Amino acid sequence: AQSVTQLDSQVPVFEEAPVELRCNYSSSVSVYLFWYVQYPNQGLQLLLKYLSGSTLVKGINGFEAEFNKSQTSFHLRKPSVHISDTAEYFCAVSESGTGFQKLVFGTGTRLLVSP
Amino acid sequence: DAGITQSPRHKVTETGTPVTLRCHQTENHRYMYWYRQDPGHGLRLIHYSYGVKDTDKGEVSDGYSVSRSKTEDFLLTLESATSSQTSVYFCAISGEDRGDYGYTFGSGTRLTVV
Repeated sequence: AQSVTQLDSQVPVFEEAPVELRCNYSSSVSVYLFWYVQYPNQGLQLLLKYLSGSTLVKGINGFEAEFNKSQTSFHLRKPSVHISDTAEYFCAVSESGTGFQKLVFGTGTRLLVSP
Repeated sequence: DAGITQSPRHKVTETGTPVTLRCHQTENHRYMYWYRQDPGHGLRLIHYSYGVKDTDKGEVSDGYSVSRSKTEDFLLTLESATSSQTSVYFCAISGEDRGDYGYTFGSGTRLTVV
């Protein structure tokens, strides 16, 4: 079974500052990793995913994440945030191999961007 | 999200009544999932489907049942609603091609049980 830990429940940051949202996972098998964003009163939208290959993954809206197998981490970064990035961010993991993915989600990190 | 719709968007129901939530997709994806979202818990899997009439339980399936009679529709039923089932429910789909890995979510149903 897999599990995900998002250590920070809330991250406040000023506009145009860099940000890192942390995600650690646990699994005894190979995994796929995902980051989702949820804006208020909306569903979740896929930001980026790691399936295989390059450990640095680029996603939408200028976000990127790096898969670190030895540290079992998949931290999300953005070099300069905007007010519009204020949202909740979820890290998720699934066993790799097929299109069927029982995603296990972290509890989320609320990113608060202020002027 | 385009390609997946949930209905209703909001519902208030009384304790003890049955409730059915609907998820409809136009992507012809094989896999469908129901999650619930609660503060402090993130999203937890209720039930999922591998295909028509092929479903299985997730980690929080007690009090819920599902049905999938067509590829495009996945129904979640609360047999007898309880206050602990007040939550936001999300449906998700995924496909078999690597480009479709990772879920596409519906917009959610906010259910309040009074």
